[in-house]
Amino acid sequence: QKEVEQDPGPLSVPEGAIVSLNCTYSNSAFQYFMWYRQYSRKGPELLMYTYSSGNKEDGRFTAQVDKSSKYISLFIRDSQPSDSATYLCAIGSAGNQFYFGTGTSLTVIP
Amino acid sequence: DTGVSQDPRHKITKRGQNVTFRCDPISEHNRLYWYRQTLGQGPEFLTYFQNEAQLEKSRLLSDRFSAERPKGSFSTLEIQRTEQGDSAMYLCASSLVPSDTQYFGPGTRLTVL
Repeated sequence: QKEVEQDPGPLSVPEGAIVSLNCTYSNSAFQYFMWYRQYSRKGPELLMYTYSSGNKEDGRFTAQVDKSSKYISLFIRDSQPSDSATYLCAIGSAGNQFYFGTGTSLTVIP
Repeated sequence: DTGVSQDPRHKITKRGQNVTFRCDPISEHNRLYWYRQTLGQGPEFLTYFQNEAQLEKSRLLSDRFSAERPKGSFSTLEIQRTEQGDSAMYLCASSLVPSDTQYFGPGTRLTVL
């Protein structure tokens, strides 16, 4: 079983839609949860990070963690064409390696 | 710009040659990570340093790979006797204990012919 599973998509939505991206993980000891955005041929860019269950909001982005279900989500409201990218979840524990999902490719159509 | 930098950005080499990549982390960060990413996959952990100490290595890091961080600042990743399967994006990230939130550089894209 992989440490982190992520639906690879691809996902295609119209501009203005709400996007939901999801990951599941296997190790209940994981305590760090991050979302990265990666444009083609670029390094991942940190979007959101959280260390606890619940929701964390930053502008149009909301990160949600459910430790009891070992499930994390990233919601994007009012999606824009500039949001078109690959979104990666990363999960781990302090002092240990982090595990990345395979990424979900998102296209927002104007 | 005080972000993570990597050099070179692109490297094309012939099979069997040695290559070395450099990473300069965010200046106050004490952890430095190396990852490898192939097309359609997420980054895969290779190794990480806390200051100058290499604390963990993945089984992906064969004996042809070596990484150093001699003074706890920049790091180098060397691949000896490159193989076509080494073609990938090599990513460096840095973080500051205890938050361990990792910030990535732009990557070095390696093509082995």
